[in-house]
Amino acid sequence: ETGVTQSPTHLIKTRGQQVTLRCSSQSGHNTVSWYQQALGQGPQFIFQYYREEENGRGNFPPRFSGLQFPNYSSELNVNALELDDSALYLCASSLGGQGARSTEAFFGQGTRLTVV
Amino acid sequence: DAKTTQPPSMDCAEGRAANLPCNHSTISGNEYVYWYRQIHSQGPQYIIHGLKNNETNEMASLIITEDRKSSTLILPHATLRDTAVYYCIVRVGGQAGTALIFGKGTTLSVSS
Repeated sequence: ETGVTQSPTHLIKTRGQQVTLRCSSQSGHNTVSWYQQALGQGPQFIFQYYREEENGRGNFPPRFSGLQFPNYSSELNVNALELDDSALYLCASSLGGQGARSTEAFFGQGTRLTVV
Repeated sequence: DAKTTQPPSMDCAEGRAANLPCNHSTISGNEYVYWYRQIHSQGPQYIIHGLKNNETNEMASLIITEDRKSSTLILPHATLRDTAVYYCIVRVGGQAGTALIFGKGTTLSVSS
């Protein structure tokens, strides 16, 4: 049990629709990262939020956007869904700031998104 | 791109030590090596991390070579529940914040 919770656990959407996924970070953590994991692949970094600001981004198009709230929980929004967006979406929380590279990141159980 | 190279698969007998190697020849002086594992599409589970000294916790030991170009994760007494995909990760900074950049990992199969 990591203290990182994601909702919903499963979701089915139609191509072209929009989706919002949610993540509650572990108590005391101020950084949330989002990852996409396609079947049979390792997680791919989407972006990271630190103290409500985007703090890094992977190779994902702008229709993937995010938000972090004052309580450090976070949302991932995906617009204009495509079939290839079907994946497990993971969030990880950690303590950011100086020395961040030496602190553990803890993952939630993920949201399984299916686009039909 | 991931900065690590791992064998795609390994087998281990239950009760024996599992030694999982990882190459990270381009690692920078201030980059940490992390190990995570993922069991059947659950969220990745943190195992251990280190900079240059060997590390041990209740789950595993991490041995980092003196030149830091490779490391080995040791599960001292593997059980069937240790069957998982194991990821060796060099935690990057810069444009990706402090993201974890995953590679393909090693699928460890523990059998009785």
